Amino acid sequence: GDSVTQMEGPVTLSEEAFLTINCTYTATGYPSLFWYVQYPGEGLQLLLKATKADDKGSNKGFEATYRKETTSFHLEKGSVQVSDSAVYFCALLRGNYQLIWGAGTKLIIKP
Amino acid sequence: EAQVTQNPRYLITVTGKKLTVTCSQNMNHEYMSWYRQDPGLGLRQIYYSMNVEVTDKGDVPEGYKVSRKEKRNFPLILESPSPNQTSLYFCASSLSGRVVDTQYFGPGTRLTVL
Repeated sequence: GDSVTQMEGPVTLSEEAFLTINCTYTATGYPSLFWYVQYPGEGLQLLLKATKADDKGSNKGFEATYRKETTSFHLEKGSVQVSDSAVYFCALLRGNYQLIWGAGTKLIIKP
Repeated sequence: EAQVTQNPRYLITVTGKKLTVTCSQNMNHEYMSWYRQDPGLGLRQIYYSMNVEVTDKGDVPEGYKVSRKEKRNFPLILESPSPNQTSLYFCASSLSGRVVDTQYFGPGTRLTVL
């Protein structure tokens, strides 16, 4: 069945470091892909999305490219800040109404 | 302010004591959904609703009930809670639930069943 696999955390980086959080998926066809972010004590917020292969989603300095060849949607940011510390979730859309979620990756940015 | 609210935010209860977690949105969204979040498992969908009086099971519906009598409210009911329902619960809503619609999440309800 459909599934999403994310790299295990926590990921700890220094401020201004380059960030990559890996996400790979298993699905039939080419589902839409999403990254959500959960800041401490808050609900999830959509960070970016891509609805077809080779699309690049971007927001707040984060980017992710939909790679159908490698079934991946890795999240990247060139220079992280302390305020980026959060849990990041990768997800795919199954059908029209259901999201299948990865386990989440906790990111810790140290000043 | 556009928002999804949940109550209570924290709840400790005992096995078998019926409880309801409320969820309300003020955005006139058609689609609402309940998730549970457990360490190492991410979010799993419990139930969703595409409109008033229209609900369907998600991936983990056992032990839960929902109702959608009004567009803005989507309560989650645990008729006889058990310790394996200890979790962090999120309600979410979106305009129509279709592919491109963003889901807006509530702040979460942390439930502990003793």
